Amino acid sequence: DAGVIQSPRHEVTEMGQEVTLRCKPISGHNSLFWYRQTMMRGLELLIYFNNNVPIDDSGMPEDRFSAKMPNASFSTLKIQPSEPRDSAVYFCASSLQQGYNSPLHFGNGTRLTVT
Amino acid sequence: DAKTTQPNSMESNEEEPVHLPCNHSTISGTDYIHWYRQLPSQGPEYVIHGLTSNVNNRMASLAIAEDRKSSTLILHRATLRDAAVYYCILRRNSGNTPLVFGKGTRLSVIA
Repeated sequence: DAGVIQSPRHEVTEMGQEVTLRCKPISGHNSLFWYRQTMMRGLELLIYFNNNVPIDDSGMPEDRFSAKMPNASFSTLKIQPSEPRDSAVYFCASSLQQGYNSPLHFGNGTRLTVT
Repeated sequence: DAKTTQPNSMESNEEEPVHLPCNHSTISGTDYIHWYRQLPSQGPEYVIHGLTSNVNNRMASLAIAEDRKSSTLILHRATLRDAAVYYCILRRNSGNTPLVFGKGTRLSVIA
């Protein structure tokens, strides 16, 4: 299996532009998580889905952030408009909701720089 | 979520065992103890998890105190590739809940 695939690996954009980050979970996994990592705040959960349905989006920082999961094999995290403080590494993770405590499998992240 | 406390950093010599401690004095009966690690420029990866009994897998061993208020991740022979940030996380046993990461322990391995 290729693992969780995120694209792009790096994104540089100007303040005010729309940014879309993409994630392809591991085939067969039915839970998907979006995290953000910065030096100051560490790894923070933004939102997670079970069976394509958003379960908890309380970590989404502002209305400028939105996430969708139109099907089991694809999710997007959109920031519109982007701001310099959104600069971070964004990770997507997936797991199999089979029983409890299934491990999360993380992608290698998208490093976002907003200038 | 119950809180965990880990040392900020630790150092080990290559090919020696490493014991990474974690305190979780407010752990509840339904909390599992999970360990993840994050290698440089990569996403976190699962290492091991347990509830009450000690656990072994190909990556590491997990020793859990009898009162469950602390645990230790054991790397039996550290290699340079084990240099990473190690996170000890409590995860409630109630469905596929997310992980809540703390600051972790940064492990340096010296050749």
